[in-house]
Amino acid sequence: DTAVSQTPKYLVTQMGNDKSIKCEQNLGHDTMYWYKQDSKKFLKIMFSYNNKELIINETVPNRFSPKSPDKAHLNLHINSLELGDSAVYFCASSQDPMALGVLWAGELFFGEGSRLTVL
Amino acid sequence: RKEVEQDPGPFNVPEGATVAFNCTYSNSASQSFFWYRQDCRKEPKLLMSVYSSGNEDGRFTAQLNRASQYISLLIRDSKLSDSATYLCVVNSFNAGNMLTFGGGTRLMVKP
Repeated sequence: DTAVSQTPKYLVTQMGNDKSIKCEQNLGHDTMYWYKQDSKKFLKIMFSYNNKELIINETVPNRFSPKSPDKAHLNLHINSLELGDSAVYFCASSQDPMALGVLWAGELFFGEGSRLTVL
Repeated sequence: RKEVEQDPGPFNVPEGATVAFNCTYSNSASQSFFWYRQDCRKEPKLLMSVYSSGNEDGRFTAQLNRASQYISLLIRDSKLSDSATYLCVVNSFNAGNMLTFGGGTRLMVKP
């Protein structure tokens, strides 16, 4: 039974289109994230949600809009796709790092990734 | 300067070899450290935490040098299955307990 699942795994689309990636976790975690891994393999955090509330919003174009209908789901919607958006997008979840503080074990559970190609 | 820097490699080693990776971090307030492993076209997974006194997990040994702000990972008796990218990860409580990932070091173990 997959712990963090995201769909679709692959997405090929034209510039200017709008697309969504869905993510669900069944680990009972309070915190969910979206990370972007570019062609140079750097993993950068985009958003972090805790119990459906936005906690971290890194410098990401406002074409990217996360939505968390409940604490088990964090979806990512991207408007007006650009070539530079091509990347692998990873959803992740963890126990609440803010609540645990120094006791947080630092473990993120990642989904398998969604490879987005913008043509 | 990147917050977490690693040599991207690849490190090509024969089976049975010992290989070491280093990683440096720029935020002196960082308080916890980890190594993640990422197989090709897969998601990252936690390999091990790095403790101040150093720690070992089977063939893997992690060390932390706070004064020099670097972290190391030593793999002994390399196996073919160790081939992967190893990501150095740093956590800063003053940054909201947010993990910052290095770009990874790629290891290829050859027969």
